[in-house]
Amino acid sequence: EIVLTQSPGTLSLTPGERATLSCRASQSVSSSYVAWYQQKPGQAPRLLIYGASSRATGIPDRFTGSGSGTDFTLTISRLEPEDFAVYYCQQYNTSPYSFGQGTKLEI
Amino acid sequence: QVQLQESGPGLVKPSETLSLTCTVSGGSISSYHWSWIRQPPGKGLDWIGNIYNSGSTNYNPSLKSRITISLVTSRNQFSLKLTSVTAADTAVYYCARARPSTTFGVAVPHYYMDVWGKGTTVTVSS
Repeated sequence: EIVLTQSPGTLSLTPGERATLSCRASQSVSSSYVAWYQQKPGQAPRLLIYGASSRATGIPDRFTGSGSGTDFTLTISRLEPEDFAVYYCQQYNTSPYSFGQGTKLEI
Repeated sequence: QVQLQESGPGLVKPSETLSLTCTVSGGSISSYHWSWIRQPPGKGLDWIGNIYNSGSTNYNPSLKSRITISLVTSRNQFSLKLTSVTAADTAVYYCARARPSTTFGVAVPHYYMDVWGKGTTVTVSS
């Protein structure tokens, strides 16, 4: 099973700043089968990024995914108040499809 | 657009079977593939399994002996059954659409979840 480790666990920033979230896989994820999801309290996760770098429909361009192999990054260029949430990475290269433990982005 | 809604009992006794249904609206269940994911209280996300429009399934090995995911095509629904539940199965259960990746325009069997239901809370307690 591929284990995903996200860092940091908590990231404290203010609106307007740049956020960089990391996701490291225990094995190489071929063809960049990595997705990123945003989850706000009491809500379902929302797909942000798939294929490591493709934005999902309706996702603002301040969200950028990058990386390959074992190291992946989600960057939010200029934080908006609505971006403060928990972010999860997921690999769908190899079953079982695993999630990272999450990064909480807080003000 | 496709929308998903989970339904089922909110309370299940230990050792009994948890049964949930996901109702799909805005699209035919036969046109897509589907997933179940759960989230224990205060914790992260766990993938439970997928069912494909062919009816074939792919389960998380950690749950494989206890789960069954099925299509109910006539009702545009799919279901999850989890047997012999314990307190560790207490979670919010989500259904989602599983979208295949594409390579040079051809679908390949690597699935991400692009549409999610709102989730339903299931508590295992006597």
